[in-house]
Amino acid sequence: EAGVAQSPRYKIIEKRQSVAFWCNPISGHATLYWYQQILGQGPKLLIQFQNNGVVDDSQLPKDRFSAERLKGVDSTLKIQPAKLEDSAVYLCASSLEAYYEQYFGPGTRLTVT
Amino acid sequence: QQQVKQSPQSLIVQKGGISIINCAYENTAFDYFPWYQQFPGKGPALLIAIRPDVSEKKEGRFTISFNKSAKQFSLHIMDSQPGDSATYFCAASRGNKLVFGAGTILRVKS
Repeated sequence: EAGVAQSPRYKIIEKRQSVAFWCNPISGHATLYWYQQILGQGPKLLIQFQNNGVVDDSQLPKDRFSAERLKGVDSTLKIQPAKLEDSAVYLCASSLEAYYEQYFGPGTRLTVT
Repeated sequence: QQQVKQSPQSLIVQKGGISIINCAYENTAFDYFPWYQQFPGKGPALLIAIRPDVSEKKEGRFTISFNKSAKQFSLHIMDSQPGDSATYFCAASRGNKLVFGAGTILRVKS
């Protein structure tokens, strides 16, 4: 079974630029999560989708972050404009349904200079 | 507010020794306590998990000990191997919203 795919793996941008990350979950997984992992910290949930609907986005900085999951499969996370403090690894995870085990992708390492 | 506190930050253990990582939580509503293992350049992977109705769970060399009254749980890695060198995260959840600890970098010396 193929795992969660993410791209790009690395991205360097200047502050105030925009950036987008892509995630392809495990086939058949209805629930998709985006996490932010700052160096030296554990992952922090940004947003959770159930199919193509948002379940929880309480920790998403909505003034600059947006995410969508069209057709309930792939998802994109966008930051516009980026700030220095957005430098982190952005992890995508998926699960068969909510309350099932979450499988994580390898992440996208973002550096904002 | 840090809801899950993990210690130590880093740990060095000799091959064959026991690695012990501790976590404490604040929210008594948490009902699921997993441990994740993360290798460099990879996402976290579920290692072992426990629910608060049991005090211990063992899977191979990995054991979770859970103390509900103290609101603490720990991961024990028996016969630690160099291949166990990774970052370990404890987490807690109510429903399926995971709250992670800050992580412990484990290095097993051969």
